[in-house]
Amino acid sequence: ETGVTQTPRHLVMGMTNKKSLKCEQHLGHNAMYWYKQSAKKPLELMFVYSLEERVENNSVPSRFSPECPNSSHLFLHLHTLQPEDSALYLCASSQDRGTLQYFGAGTRLSVL
Amino acid sequence: KNEVEQSPQNLTAQEGEFITINCSYSVGISALHWLQQHPGGGIVSLFMLSSGKKKHGRLIATINIQEKHSSLHITASHPRDSAVYICAVKGGSEKLVFGKGTKLTVNP
Repeated sequence: ETGVTQTPRHLVMGMTNKKSLKCEQHLGHNAMYWYKQSAKKPLELMFVYSLEERVENNSVPSRFSPECPNSSHLFLHLHTLQPEDSALYLCASSQDRGTLQYFGAGTRLSVL
Repeated sequence: KNEVEQSPQNLTAQEGEFITINCSYSVGISALHWLQQHPGGGIVSLFMLSSGKKKHGRLIATINIQEKHSSLHITASHPRDSAVYICAVKGGSEKLVFGKGTKLTVNP
C-alpha cells in the first residue's frame, strides 16, 4: 500500500461514454500527476498539479479533462475516447515537484 | 532515439545472482529515478538520486553524471524481485522522461 489509491482498477467503456478516474492520496503531498502507459511504450506524463493548480499539460487531447478539487484528490474525466486511448492510467503524488513520486496501482482502461 | 535508454530489455537470472540494470541518458538532468513495476501494473518508486550512490536493502543505485549513466544493482536476487525496472530522468523542464523498462525474471 503506497498511500495512493486509484479507482476503479479496471474500466471498459464505449467511445460515446463519459467516465471518470479517481485518485486519492493520504500522504499529505501537494503535487499530483496523471501518467499514461500504453502497451510497449514508455510511461508518458499527462498532467501535473501543484497546490491544486494545473502546472503542466503535455499536449493531451481535450477528451481527457483533469480536475483537482483539493490536494488529496485528482480526477481524470473521460469523454468520447478512441480505442487507442486504451492503456494503464497511473496517478502519482509527491511532496513538492521534483521529489520522489509515489504511484497508485493504476486503472486499466479499455475503450471499445 | 529515446532520450533514456535502458539495457538489457529483458533479463533472466537464477535466484541468488547479482543483477545489474543500466540506464543511459542524453540530456542534462537534475535527478534520476528508478521505479519498479509489478505485473499488475502498480509502480513503486525505488530511488531518486542526483549524484553518487544510494542503498536500500538489497538494492543499490549509482549514477555517474559525467558519463550520463546510472546502474541499478540487486544483490542476492529473489523470485519476488521479478518485475519491470524503469529508469526516468528529470531535465530542466521538470518533466520526467521514462525509459522503456527492463523486464527482470528471477527463477527459483
